[in-house]
Amino acid sequence: EPEVTQTPSHQVTQMGQEVILHCVPISNHLYFYWYRQILGQKVEFLVSFYNNEISEKSEIFDDQFSVERPDGSNFTLKIRSTKLEDSAMYFCASSEQRDQETQYFGPGTRLLVL
Amino acid sequence: TQLLEQSPQFLSIQEGENLTVYCNSSSVFSSLQWYRQEPGEGPVLLVTVVTGGEVKKLKRLTFQFGDARKDSSLHITAAQPGDTGLYLCAGASSGTYKYIFGTGTRLKVLA
Repeated sequence: EPEVTQTPSHQVTQMGQEVILHCVPISNHLYFYWYRQILGQKVEFLVSFYNNEISEKSEIFDDQFSVERPDGSNFTLKIRSTKLEDSAMYFCASSEQRDQETQYFGPGTRLLVL
Repeated sequence: TQLLEQSPQFLSIQEGENLTVYCNSSSVFSSLQWYRQEPGEGPVLLVTVVTGGEVKKLKRLTFQFGDARKDSSLHITAAQPGDTGLYLCAGASSGTYKYIFGTGTRLKVLA
């Protein structure tokens, strides 16, 4: 069964450093998403991406964040200058279509900013 | 701001008991999903409901979408220890690209 994969599974970084989180969505999916979940809190939407551009983003997704689809398979989330409060699980998701379509989640990357 | 409130937040029951988890909002959603999440892992999709009043069954799990598409429930019959986990509902509104997640219900089923 096809699945969304994410690397690395864990990332530890120093405050102020840049991190790039990697995702490989399901191959025939067209819509891609990043969510985050701070420990003990609910899953929060960050951004959605379609046709090589951002479709929608939340207020969390400020200028420190960017997304890119550098090739036909990868979808990345970059945090330019990490802050302590960026520590969270970051989940990538993909769907075949928008709106009523099911989103499939990856296993997540646990980011720890020291 | 759209919010999805889940109740109860925590539930601890004995094996074999039945339970219902609720997901409520003042907003209308075009679709709603239920997930189960294990510690340190991503949410795993259980079901998607899109039609008001829709009922879907997945073995011992029964999901219902409210007629007005503002609420949903998950009923588990004869709970088993393997049902232990965090249950999340998530709703998407028509015309948006994002799912809003609920606050979660942490279920523990004791053997």
